[in-house]
Amino acid sequence: DGGITQSPKYLFRKEGQNVTLSCEQNLNHDAMYWYRQDPGQGLRLIYYSQIVNDFQKGDIAEGYSVSREKKESFPLTVTSAQKNPTAFYLCASSPGQAEPQHFGDGTRLSIL
Amino acid sequence: GQSLEQPSEVTAVEGAIVQINCTYQTSGFYGLSWYQQHDGGAPTFLSYNALDGLEETGRFSSFLSRSDSYGYLLLQELQMKDSASYFCAVSSAGPGGSYIPTFGRGTSLIVHP
Repeated sequence: DGGITQSPKYLFRKEGQNVTLSCEQNLNHDAMYWYRQDPGQGLRLIYYSQIVNDFQKGDIAEGYSVSREKKESFPLTVTSAQKNPTAFYLCASSPGQAEPQHFGDGTRLSIL
Repeated sequence: GQSLEQPSEVTAVEGAIVQINCTYQTSGFYGLSWYQQHDGGAPTFLSYNALDGLEETGRFSSFLSRSDSYGYLLLQELQMKDSASYFCAVSSAGPGGSYIPTFGRGTSLIVHP
């Protein structure tokens, strides 16, 4: 079955530590996205990538980094510069720009 | 920048019809999407409008008026399982020919027996 796989489902970060959230899709989609969702809030765009080897900052990119070396993979690193990382992180993909998105099941990140 | 407004909460009874409105301000508008998210889950795509008018998908319909920067999601024959958060999202022109998605803050739909 085609879909988007995010791992891990739960992640704990120590102070001063970088952590990487995995996102893999086998839908052959060109575009991929990372969102952050805080309790009772909407989705805020962190980074997006329309094609391989290219990505753009979203509304809240500070303290995060991404790479897009393969079409299938779009990992997100939460750096120690992100002082409030506790949130639900969602990865999504779409066939092309501005098309409806398919979401992974998300990763819940907390601080130890 | 882009902004979307939708009601924070809507309540209705089983079997009823409910409409969730969404107004937006954006530049280079491309399309309006609707997503459903149950507590603790991931959003799932419901409906998409790029052109004015009504799109129907089973019990769900979505409407768009680009001249009014307005759309709505209509849910018919409400069921208890429809209790969830509903998000509208727009795609608008970004740097270098890209399209940036922006989500509303979501509407919590509570369906009562």
